[in-house]
Formats: sequence, C-alpha cells, structure tokens
Amino acid sequence: GESVGLHLPTLSVQEGDNSIINCAYSNSASDYFIWYKQESGKGPQFIIDIRSNMDKRQGQRVTVLLNKTVKHLSLQIAATQPGDSAVYFCAEDEAGGTSYGKLTFGQGTILTVHP
Amino acid sequence: DVKVTQSSRYLVKRTGEKVFLECVQDMDHENMFWYRQDPGLGLRLIYFSYDVKMKEKGDIPEGYSVSREKKERFSLILESASTNQTSMYLCASSRGSTSSYEQYFGPGTRLTVT
Repeated sequence: GESVGLHLPTLSVQEGDNSIINCAYSNSASDYFIWYKQESGKGPQFIIDIRSNMDKRQGQRVTVLLNKTVKHLSLQIAATQPGDSAVYFCAEDEAGGTSYGKLTFGQGTILTVHP
Repeated sequence: DVKVTQSSRYLVKRTGEKVFLECVQDMDHENMFWYRQDPGLGLRLIYFSYDVKMKEKGDIPEGYSVSREKKERFSLILESASTNQTSMYLCASSRGSTSSYEQYFGPGTRLTVT
C-alpha cells in the first residue's frame, strides 16, 4: 500500500535556530496530514495537522507546509529549544472509503537540539 | 484532556505465555488502535476497533488478537508470546469523526519476551 516516508532520519540544530523536518507522501488522494512528537519513554503527542485544501497552517512556534504538487509535507519549528529534542513523525489518513480514522505513519526523524 | 492509559509500562514474559495488554480511554472515543513500535520501522498497526465488539486487522495482526467488550477498553492479546514480539506497544484512540483524525496515544508498554 501507500506509505509515508521521511527524507532525513536525523537532524541536529543549535538552540535558537529554526528546524525543518521533511516528509514525502505517495498517496495523492490523502486528505489529512498530521505531525506528532515523541519524547523518550513517552507516547506520541499531537503537534499540528493540516487538510489537503490548505497549503500552510501555523501553531505556536510551528508551521506545517503542504505541497500537493510534489506530495511533500514539512514541519518548521521556530527558535528551536532543547525541549524540542524528540522523534517527529508525519502521518496521513487512509484515503477513501470508511477508513475509521486509520493513519499511516512515517518512520520518524530524530531531532537533536544542542544548547 | 483526553487520557489514554495502558496497564503496564514494562512487562517481561516468557516464550509461550499468554499476554494481555490493557488500554483504557476516558473520552468516549469510538475508534481505538494498537500499534507496535520498533527502531527504524515506525508505528505499525496491529488491530483497530471502531465500535464495541467490532475489530479489524491492521498491517501486522499475526500472533495477536484483540477484545473490545466496553467502549472505553481495548485489549491486545498475545496468544503465545514469542521473542520476535519483544517491542514497544502503543494504544491510541480517536473520535469517530471525519473532521479530525487525531489519535491520542497512551504512554506505551515495553514488552520483553525471553
């Protein structure tokens, strides 16, 4: 089936820099995309989501960009802090029919923020 | 706040044992999910349920079964544990709504089968 993938498995940044985490998806029919953050020893936590009728959505210090032409999703974190160090997952809905809210997850990117 | 709880954070079981992992959510969510998480493989869906007593296989159901007798509780059962089932198990729940597919996750159970 279709899958979601990430370009970079690891990303290291300095505190205060902006971080960009990328995600490629292959199902052009996907309607909903979501980013999760998973800290060590914890379950994934919601960061931000976006629907396919949008190109950009902003939250607190985070922005998600969706480029449907090239099927690319990115998460931008402004002024990255050590507390942002975690694994970040993108996920897409299982498009079409009765999906019951199933999501397909990417493999994750490890973000390390150096003080 | 939505809360998803899992019965154990850490479990150690022997090969061949029957293992029960319990998950409870307190937000009256229709959908519940069980994933396993292994390094480099991301989250893989084992089973999900969209209503009481309803269940559907995910991507890797072999060796597992599930039970949903009450809306708030979703159990994962390893009928005969094997060493290749050593993993982190994550439970999640979501509303039965197309307005948002956000899944809320529990803290995970790290299972070791020896």
